Amino acid sequence: AQSVSQHNHHVILSEAASLELGCNYSYGGTVNLFWYVQYPGQHLQLLLKYFSGDPLVKGIKGFEAEFIKSKFSFNLRKPSVQWSDTAEYFCAVNLMDSSYKLIFGSGTRLLVRP
Amino acid sequence: DAGVIQSPRHEVTEMGQEVTLRCKPISGHNSLFWYRQTMMRGLELLIYFNNNVPIDDSGMPEDRFSAKMPNASFSTLKIQPSEPRDSAVYFCASSPRQDPHSEQFFGPGTRLTVL
Repeated sequence: AQSVSQHNHHVILSEAASLELGCNYSYGGTVNLFWYVQYPGQHLQLLLKYFSGDPLVKGIKGFEAEFIKSKFSFNLRKPSVQWSDTAEYFCAVNLMDSSYKLIFGSGTRLLVRP
Repeated sequence: DAGVIQSPRHEVTEMGQEVTLRCKPISGHNSLFWYRQTMMRGLELLIYFNNNVPIDDSGMPEDRFSAKMPNASFSTLKIQPSEPRDSAVYFCASSPRQDPHSEQFFGPGTRLTVL
Protein backbone atom coordinates (compact mmCIF):
# COMPACT_ATOMS: atom_id res chain seq x y z
CA ALA A 1 0.00 0.00 0.00
CA GLN A 2 1.09 3.54 -0.64
CA SER A 3 2.51 5.35 2.37
CA VAL A 4 4.22 8.53 3.45
CA SER A 5 6.98 8.45 6.06
CA GLN A 6 8.13 11.29 8.23
CA HIS A 7 11.00 9.96 10.23
CA ASN A 8 11.38 12.87 12.64
CA HIS A 9 8.44 12.83 15.02
CA HIS A 10 9.73 15.58 17.31
CA VAL A 11 12.27 18.26 16.53
CA ILE A 12 13.51 20.92 18.94
CA LEU A 13 15.50 23.86 17.62
CA SER A 14 16.67 27.23 18.82
CA GLU A 15 15.68 30.35 16.95
CA ALA A 16 17.82 31.05 13.89
CA ALA A 17 18.76 27.40 13.49
CA SER A 18 18.25 25.74 10.14
CA LEU A 19 15.47 23.23 9.65
CA GLU A 20 15.12 20.17 7.50
CA LEU A 21 12.22 17.76 7.89
CA GLY A 22 12.31 14.52 6.01
CA CYS A 23 9.49 13.06 3.94
CA ASN A 24 9.59 9.88 1.88
CA TYR A 25 6.78 8.22 0.00
CA SER A 26 6.29 4.79 -1.46
CA TYR A 27 4.62 4.94 -4.83
CA GLY A 28 6.15 4.33 -8.20
CA GLY A 29 3.83 6.47 -10.27
CA THR A 30 3.34 10.19 -10.71
CA VAL A 31 2.52 12.10 -7.56
CA ASN A 32 1.69 15.56 -6.36
CA LEU A 33 3.39 16.53 -3.12
CA PHE A 34 2.31 18.87 -0.36
CA TRP A 35 3.46 20.18 2.97
CA TYR A 36 0.79 21.33 5.40
CA VAL A 37 1.32 23.07 8.73
CA GLN A 38 -0.89 22.97 11.81
CA TYR A 39 -0.19 25.73 14.33
CA PRO A 40 -1.27 25.04 17.93
CA GLY A 41 -5.04 25.00 18.14
CA GLN A 42 -5.52 25.76 14.47
CA HIS A 43 -6.46 23.87 11.36
CA LEU A 44 -4.15 22.61 8.67
CA GLN A 45 -2.86 25.15 6.18
CA LEU A 46 -0.97 24.62 2.98
CA LEU A 47 2.72 25.58 3.13
CA LEU A 48 3.74 24.59 -0.37
CA LYS A 49 3.10 22.09 -3.13
CA TYR A 50 4.87 20.44 -6.02
CA PHE A 51 3.21 19.26 -9.19
CA SER A 52 5.86 19.45 -11.89
CA GLY A 53 8.75 21.54 -13.16
CA ASP A 54 11.45 22.94 -10.93
CA PRO A 55 11.94 20.39 -8.14
CA LEU A 56 12.82 23.16 -5.70
CA VAL A 57 9.57 24.68 -4.53
CA LYS A 58 9.23 27.83 -2.48
CA GLY A 59 6.30 28.31 -0.15
CA ILE A 60 5.04 30.77 2.39
CA LYS A 61 6.97 32.07 5.39
CA GLY A 62 10.38 31.28 3.94
CA PHE A 63 9.85 27.55 3.62
CA GLU A 64 11.04 25.54 0.65
CA ALA A 65 11.07 21.89 -0.31
CA GLU A 66 13.01 19.82 -2.79
CA PHE A 67 11.56 16.91 -4.73
CA ILE A 68 14.14 14.22 -5.43
CA LYS A 69 12.40 11.66 -7.59
CA SER A 70 15.18 9.06 -7.38
CA LYS A 71 14.94 9.09 -3.60
CA PHE A 72 11.14 9.38 -3.43
CA SER A 73 11.70 12.30 -1.10
CA PHE A 74 10.23 15.75 -0.57
CA ASN A 75 12.12 17.32 2.33
CA LEU A 76 11.06 20.60 3.86
CA ARG A 77 13.66 23.24 4.69
CA LYS A 78 13.97 26.66 6.22
CA PRO A 79 17.33 28.38 6.66
CA SER A 80 16.47 30.19 9.88
CA VAL A 81 13.49 29.25 12.05
CA GLN A 82 11.51 31.54 14.28
CA TRP A 83 9.60 30.89 17.48
CA SER A 84 6.40 31.35 15.49
CA ASP A 85 7.28 28.29 13.39
CA THR A 86 6.41 26.07 16.34
CA ALA A 87 3.79 23.77 14.86
CA GLU A 88 3.16 20.33 13.49
CA TYR A 89 4.18 19.72 9.90
CA PHE A 90 2.57 17.15 7.64
CA CYS A 91 3.83 15.85 4.36
CA ALA A 92 1.13 14.58 2.00
CA VAL A 93 1.02 12.81 -1.32
CA ASN A 94 -1.73 12.85 -3.89
CA LEU A 95 -1.62 9.89 -6.20
CA MET A 96 -2.26 10.70 -9.81
CA ASP A 97 -4.77 7.93 -10.17
CA SER A 98 -8.53 8.06 -10.11
CA SER A 99 -8.82 8.30 -6.35
CA TYR A 100 -7.46 11.84 -5.85
CA LYS A 101 -6.84 10.97 -2.22
CA LEU A 102 -4.32 12.77 -0.06
CA ILE A 103 -2.17 10.40 1.96
CA PHE A 104 -0.62 12.08 4.97
CA GLY A 105 2.52 11.31 6.88
CA SER A 106 2.36 10.97 10.65
CA GLY A 107 3.55 14.52 11.20
CA THR A 108 6.56 16.17 12.80
CA ARG A 109 6.15 18.34 15.86
CA LEU A 110 8.56 21.26 15.77
CA LEU A 111 9.34 23.26 18.89
CA VAL A 112 11.40 26.39 18.41
CA ARG A 113 12.89 27.80 21.57
CA PRO A 114 13.29 31.57 21.76
CA ASP B 1 -14.61 33.95 2.64
CA ALA B 2 -15.60 32.11 5.83
CA GLY B 3 -13.60 29.01 5.00
CA VAL B 4 -14.72 25.51 5.90
CA ILE B 5 -17.06 25.59 8.88
CA GLN B 6 -17.40 22.71 11.30
CA SER B 7 -19.69 22.24 14.26
CA PRO B 8 -19.53 21.58 17.06
CA ARG B 9 -15.92 22.47 17.85
CA HIS B 10 -15.93 20.24 20.89
CA GLU B 11 -18.18 17.31 21.73
CA VAL B 12 -18.13 15.21 24.85
CA THR B 13 -20.46 12.26 24.96
CA GLU B 14 -20.91 8.94 26.65
CA MET B 15 -20.28 5.58 25.12
CA GLY B 16 -23.28 4.32 23.20
CA GLN B 17 -24.62 7.75 22.29
CA GLU B 18 -25.10 8.94 18.76
CA VAL B 19 -22.77 11.70 17.61
CA THR B 20 -23.30 13.92 14.57
CA LEU B 21 -20.55 16.15 13.23
CA ARG B 22 -21.36 18.83 10.69
CA CYS B 23 -19.46 20.52 7.92
CA LYS B 24 -20.13 23.39 5.56
CA PRO B 25 -17.61 23.46 2.72
CA ILE B 26 -16.37 26.59 0.99
CA SER B 27 -18.98 27.80 -1.45
CA GLY B 28 -18.32 26.55 -4.95
CA HIS B 29 -16.11 23.69 -3.90
CA ASN B 30 -17.10 20.37 -5.43
CA SER B 31 -15.11 17.93 -3.34
CA LEU B 32 -15.47 17.31 0.38
CA PHE B 33 -13.31 15.16 2.61
CA TRP B 34 -13.66 13.83 6.17
CA TYR B 35 -10.46 13.05 8.09
CA ARG B 36 -9.79 11.71 11.56
CA GLN B 37 -6.67 12.68 13.52
CA THR B 38 -5.36 10.65 16.45
CA MET B 39 -2.01 10.42 18.15
CA MET B 40 -1.67 6.78 17.27
CA ARG B 41 -2.74 6.83 13.63
CA GLY B 42 -2.16 10.41 12.54
CA LEU B 43 -4.42 11.86 9.85
CA GLU B 44 -6.63 9.32 8.11
CA LEU B 45 -9.04 9.94 5.26
CA LEU B 46 -12.42 8.49 6.16
CA ILE B 47 -14.51 9.35 3.12
CA TYR B 48 -14.70 11.84 0.31
CA PHE B 49 -17.47 13.17 -1.87
CA ASN B 50 -17.46 14.73 -5.28
CA ASN B 51 -20.53 16.68 -6.37
CA ASN B 52 -22.34 15.32 -3.29
CA VAL B 53 -21.70 11.71 -4.29
CA PRO B 54 -19.54 9.47 -2.08
CA ILE B 55 -16.54 8.43 -4.15
CA ASP B 56 -14.39 6.51 -1.71
CA ASP B 57 -15.46 5.37 1.76
CA SER B 58 -12.78 2.75 2.21
CA GLY B 59 -11.41 4.64 5.18
CA MET B 60 -14.61 4.48 7.18
CA PRO B 61 -13.64 2.26 10.12
CA GLU B 62 -16.83 0.28 10.51
CA ASP B 63 -20.58 0.29 10.11
CA ARG B 64 -21.00 2.55 13.12
CA PHE B 65 -19.73 5.38 10.95
CA SER B 66 -21.83 6.94 8.21
CA ALA B 67 -21.55 10.13 6.19
CA LYS B 68 -23.98 12.02 4.03
CA MET B 69 -23.90 15.04 1.79
CA PRO B 70 -27.50 15.98 1.01
CA ASN B 71 -26.48 19.12 -0.88
CA ALA B 72 -23.43 21.05 -1.98
CA SER B 73 -23.24 23.12 1.18
CA PHE B 74 -23.65 20.57 3.95
CA SER B 75 -22.27 17.24 5.08
CA THR B 76 -22.60 15.15 8.22
CA LEU B 77 -20.52 12.42 9.78
CA LYS B 78 -22.45 10.26 12.19
CA ILE B 79 -21.20 7.73 14.70
CA GLN B 80 -23.81 5.43 16.20
CA PRO B 81 -23.17 4.02 18.72
CA SER B 82 -20.04 5.89 19.77
CA GLU B 83 -17.16 4.17 21.58
CA PRO B 84 -14.21 5.58 23.56
CA ARG B 85 -11.81 4.61 20.75
CA ASP B 86 -13.64 7.05 18.48
CA SER B 87 -12.17 9.92 20.49
CA ALA B 88 -10.21 12.04 18.02
CA VAL B 89 -10.22 15.29 16.13
CA TYR B 90 -12.37 15.09 13.02
CA PHE B 91 -11.51 17.44 10.18
CA CYS B 92 -13.56 18.33 7.18
CA ALA B 93 -11.84 19.69 4.09
CA SER B 94 -13.08 20.93 0.75
CA SER B 95 -11.51 21.39 -2.63
CA PRO B 96 -12.58 23.37 -5.69
CA ARG B 97 -12.70 20.29 -7.90
CA GLN B 98 -11.85 16.62 -8.13
CA ASP B 99 -8.38 17.33 -9.34
CA PRO B 100 -5.12 16.01 -7.91
CA HIS B 101 -3.60 19.47 -8.33
CA SER B 102 -6.25 21.06 -6.24
CA GLU B 103 -5.45 22.20 -2.72
CA GLN B 104 -7.64 20.99 0.11
CA PHE B 105 -8.85 23.61 2.55
CA PHE B 106 -9.34 22.36 6.08
CA GLY B 107 -11.85 23.34 8.71
CA PRO B 108 -10.97 23.92 12.36
CA GLY B 109 -11.95 20.39 13.36
CA THR B 110 -14.27 18.86 15.93
CA ARG B 111 -12.61 17.44 19.01
CA LEU B 112 -14.67 14.42 20.04
CA THR B 113 -14.32 12.79 23.43
CA VAL B 114 -16.28 9.64 24.13
CA LEU B 115 -16.32 8.68 27.79
